[in-house]
Amino acid sequence: SQTIHQWPATLVQPVGSPLSLECTVEGTSNPNLYWYRQAAGRGLQLLFYSVGIGQISSEVPQNLSASRPQDRQFILSSKKLLLSDSGFYLCAWIGTSSFFGPGTRLTVL
Amino acid sequence: KQEVTQIPAALSVPEGENLVLNCSFTDSAIYNLQWFRQDPGKGLTSLLLIQSSQREQTSGRLNASLDKSSGRSTLYIAASQPGDSATYLCAVSNSGYALNFGKGTSLLVTP
Repeated sequence: SQTIHQWPATLVQPVGSPLSLECTVEGTSNPNLYWYRQAAGRGLQLLFYSVGIGQISSEVPQNLSASRPQDRQFILSSKKLLLSDSGFYLCAWIGTSSFFGPGTRLTVL
Repeated sequence: KQEVTQIPAALSVPEGENLVLNCSFTDSAIYNLQWFRQDPGKGLTSLLLIQSSQREQTSGRLNASLDKSSGRSTLYIAASQPGDSATYLCAVSNSGYALNFGKGTSLLVTP
């Protein structure tokens, strides 16, 4: 069965610090992977998606970036966090069905 | 750009009631529509997926309908239970890839 792992589960970071969130997928190969962000009072916002190794599409221009170094690994990064980066980050595999990871709660202070 | 709206934003009902959650979308050229459940601080769990060629899907006490021409979907929950308390999210795919989400309906079922 398909499983999505995300870590860390929670993170508190100061403004201006770097960020690295990791997502790994089990039970499938060559998945289409997505990063979404859920901010308080807002819906889920699509940030990035990837259809294969090294292939990244950005939906929202911002100070975040994504990478896909391996087939089942998807990483979300930032060089300098902003207060507005706070939120709940979800990794997803979307195909004929959809599977979401448990999420990472990021608080930028 | 596809816009997805969910009404109501919050709903509180006594246990045992049947209820309906509403979802509307602006672009009717959809690939599929999904309903998800999200518990506080957790990820999303897919409940029902309706392909564009389908009118409804059922799973247990849940029934979701789709009317593409009017840009609407409803999620019907029969005989609600306290364990149904969660946020319910509607999401639409126009391409078979990314999902566009509504802001959700927060449901509270009281004993």
